[in-house]
Amino acid sequence: AQSVTQPDIHITVSEGASLELRCNYSYGATPYLFWYVQSPGQGLQLLLKYFSGDTLVQGIKGFEAEFKRSQSSFNLRKPSVHWSDAAEYFCAVGAHGGSQGNLIFGKGTKLSVKP
Amino acid sequence: NAGVTQTPKFQVLKTGQSMTLQCAQDMNHNSMYWYRQDPGMGLRLIYYSASEGTTDKGEVPNGYNVSRLNKREFSLRLESAAPSQTSVYFCASTRPGDEQYFGPGTRLTVT
Repeated sequence: AQSVTQPDIHITVSEGASLELRCNYSYGATPYLFWYVQSPGQGLQLLLKYFSGDTLVQGIKGFEAEFKRSQSSFNLRKPSVHWSDAAEYFCAVGAHGGSQGNLIFGKGTKLSVKP
Repeated sequence: NAGVTQTPKFQVLKTGQSMTLQCAQDMNHNSMYWYRQDPGMGLRLIYYSASEGTTDKGEVPNGYNVSRLNKREFSLRLESAAPSQTSVYFCASTRPGDEQYFGPGTRLTVT
């Protein structure tokens, strides 16, 4: 079955510390992968996406993610977290060549930032 | 270029009442989606439409109906609202091989 797992429901980091949010997927086809961020009371905003090519992708707000096919993972990282990064983060996977654009979302990881 | 718009932003219904959530996109996308978001559950797909004139059930379609009015608009209808349908509803659109673009959401409370 196709699925996306975000093992951490809630993570707290100190401002200025590094961050890694985990995402593992199970998908039969060659995947394309996304990270979205949702601030409280807001819609979802795309942080970054991987379709092909370089497995390390850069996104907005200083985030990056690395696609590791052997581990079926697409972890999100940031070297130094800012208080404004407090939000909920969603990993999603879709199929290359898919005619519809359907995505499967993880359940999300809520990030809290300590001053 | 407004992207994806949703109306209303907030709604309170009594059990048994009906309502329609409206969604429109101006990006000429073929595919459109309705999700609900509940705490700890992530985004769950209610219905989607791969193109004008077609609709398909997602993970949680019970209690909902949809209409793809034209390429731009995709509405979600609750015929007889229940407290279990209290949620935040998001509309999204996309074209093949691209990200999904989300609307700002509708917060629905059913009492």
